[in-house]
Amino acid sequence: GDSVTQMEGPVTLSEEAFLTINCTYTATGYPSLFWYVQYPGEGLQLLLKATKADDKGSNKGFEATYRKETTSFHLEKGSVQVSDSAVYFCALSESDNFNKFYFGSGTKLNVKP
Amino acid sequence: GAVVSQHPSRVICKSGTSVKIECRSLDFQATTMFWYRQFPKQSLMLMATSNEGSKATYEQGVEKDKFLINHASLTLSTLTVTSAHPEDSSFYICSARAGGTAGTGELFFGEGSRLTVL
Repeated sequence: GDSVTQMEGPVTLSEEAFLTINCTYTATGYPSLFWYVQYPGEGLQLLLKATKADDKGSNKGFEATYRKETTSFHLEKGSVQVSDSAVYFCALSESDNFNKFYFGSGTKLNVKP
Repeated sequence: GAVVSQHPSRVICKSGTSVKIECRSLDFQATTMFWYRQFPKQSLMLMATSNEGSKATYEQGVEKDKFLINHASLTLSTLTVTSAHPEDSSFYICSARAGGTAGTGELFFGEGSRLTVL
């Protein structure tokens, strides 16, 4: 069945460091891929998404490219800030059932001043 | 943007009691809401799809008599964990889709509810 695997955390970085959070997926068909972010005490918020191969999703300095050949959707940011500290979830939705989401286990990011 | 709110955010109960968790869409109507649970260091797993005015659709392996879902209005879905046991302790999170045609609107999530069963 469909699944998402993302790197375990926590990831601890200094401010202005480069961030990569790896995410790979297994799916039949052509899923849409997402990154969600959860700040402390809040719900998951959509950070970015890509709906087909080679699409790049970007938002707030974060970006991720849908790589079908490597079944990956790694999240990157060139210079992290303390305010980026949160839990990041990679997810996919099935191409024939966009209501059904599969999530990774989440990666906690801690950014230190 | 659209907001989905859950209540309570944390609940502790004794084994054998029932616990109700509410999920509200604050500024939009949601004919469909979704309930997930997350065990420590594991993925969020879809439990069921809550349909306004009709029965919920449960994922394989989820006991519908254990996890009662009621979607009585376009802005409220409730999840009741009946006769809770320690193994039901988990993080429960709901989501709702706002707008869009044929359910294509963005999915918004609540802040989650941490259930601890003693």
